[in-house]
Amino acid sequence: EVQLVESGGDLLQPGGSLRLSCAASGFTFSNYWMHWVRQAPGKGLVWVSRIKSDGSSTSYADSVKGRFTISRDNAKNMLYLQMNSLRAEDTAVYYCVRSSWYFDYWGQGTLVTVSS
Amino acid sequence: DIVMTQSPDSLAVSLGERATINCKSSQSVLYSSNNKNSLAWYQQKPGQPPKVLIYWASTRESGVPDRFSGSGSGTDFTLTISSLQAEDVAVYYCQQYYSIPFTFGPGTKVDVK
Repeated sequence: EVQLVESGGDLLQPGGSLRLSCAASGFTFSNYWMHWVRQAPGKGLVWVSRIKSDGSSTSYADSVKGRFTISRDNAKNMLYLQMNSLRAEDTAVYYCVRSSWYFDYWGQGTLVTVSS
Repeated sequence: DIVMTQSPDSLAVSLGERATINCKSSQSVLYSSNNKNSLAWYQQKPGQPPKVLIYWASTRESGVPDRFSGSGSGTDFTLTISSLQAEDVAVYYCQQYYSIPFTFGPGTKVDVK
């Protein structure tokens, strides 16, 4: 059974940093592109970032470019999102997502709240 | 960026009746390599992550009831629930995976009338 379990969400002040983690199991992690998608409270879905199966290529939404870094450790079946210079508008549930072109498996999400 | 729009914003349908949701992309999402439209539909129930229903515009994900169907091509797409069940109450999103940034529609909330 495919499982994606996010962790690391927290309440922090603007300007702070946080690293989200996603533990993957039930599939060959190193074969898949992985993504982070976020959802602000009561709002819609927004794609944040993606990373190629071998980690050699990454992409970001303009809203997070230069502040967020996606990475992965295929030996540990882990996906990460390093978030720096956090802003109030980054407040959201962050989902770890596997893709086979479309987004076929989603984690339950982890909540990041940025507030003073 | 490809902008995705959906209509209506919300709809209420009687149990057993048809629900139709429209999605429009600001440019074609037809992937020339396989001649398929890079369009997916997701269902999100309160407190849950989204779940894929349809991909390549019309291919139903394994385990999804056949009352859900997708159609359309190019820039105009439709998700149809042929006979609404109580468990279908949710927000439905379309998404293009043709080009970065992958973008979602704003969502359509479906309720029981």
